[in-house]
Amino acid sequence: TQLLEQSPQFLSIQEGENLTVYCNSSSVFSSLQWYRQEPGEGPVLLVTVVTGGEVKKLKRLTFQFGDARKDSSLHITAAQPGDTGLYLCAGAPIPTHSGTYKYIFGTGTRLKVLA
Amino acid sequence: GAVVSQHPSRVICKSGTSVKIECRSLDFQATTMFWYRQFPKQSLMLMATSNEGSKATYEQGVEKDKFLINHASLTLSTLTVTSAHPEDSSFYICSARDLRGDYNEQFFGPGTRLTVL
Repeated sequence: TQLLEQSPQFLSIQEGENLTVYCNSSSVFSSLQWYRQEPGEGPVLLVTVVTGGEVKKLKRLTFQFGDARKDSSLHITAAQPGDTGLYLCAGAPIPTHSGTYKYIFGTGTRLKVLA
Repeated sequence: GAVVSQHPSRVICKSGTSVKIECRSLDFQATTMFWYRQFPKQSLMLMATSNEGSKATYEQGVEKDKFLINHASLTLSTLTVTSAHPEDSSFYICSARDLRGDYNEQFFGPGTRLTVL
């Protein structure tokens, strides 16, 4: 079974601090996506990384795909209360034995940024 | 990004009744949609992959007779929870794979909160 482990599971920090969330697997993914989800809503796509070693920036968020495409990280600079939410990574797509494709989701990181 | 809608957003039903949840891709065609279940403070659990014009592929442990999936068109997939029981109460989320882009990304609906009394 392919797994995506995220760390930390929970993170509570003060506004203005920096943080990094990790997403690790023993499997290789063709691409990896990061999502943020707020309570009672569906996940919202933040970024997709495809190439090993790739770095993408989205304002104060920096995403990196590992060289071997097995892991990824999300770094937030100067966190704000609006960054609070559940962050999910997802490796996609993975062909199954039946030929269909499905995404593997990480275990999630719940971030709370205090004002 | 692509837009996916779900209806209803919230439903409360009595035990033993069936509930249908709709998932629509609004501005693109989706040959593949996914249904997830999410328990409080946990990640998403894939229930099944819905393929347009063919039978859904269910994950291990998911009862296909309990969770009926129909993907009759390229923009609509439905999930019917049959004979619902309190343990079926959960947050159900669908996603659709957008093949227009380079990365076949999936986009999520806003979710449906099901409460079975």
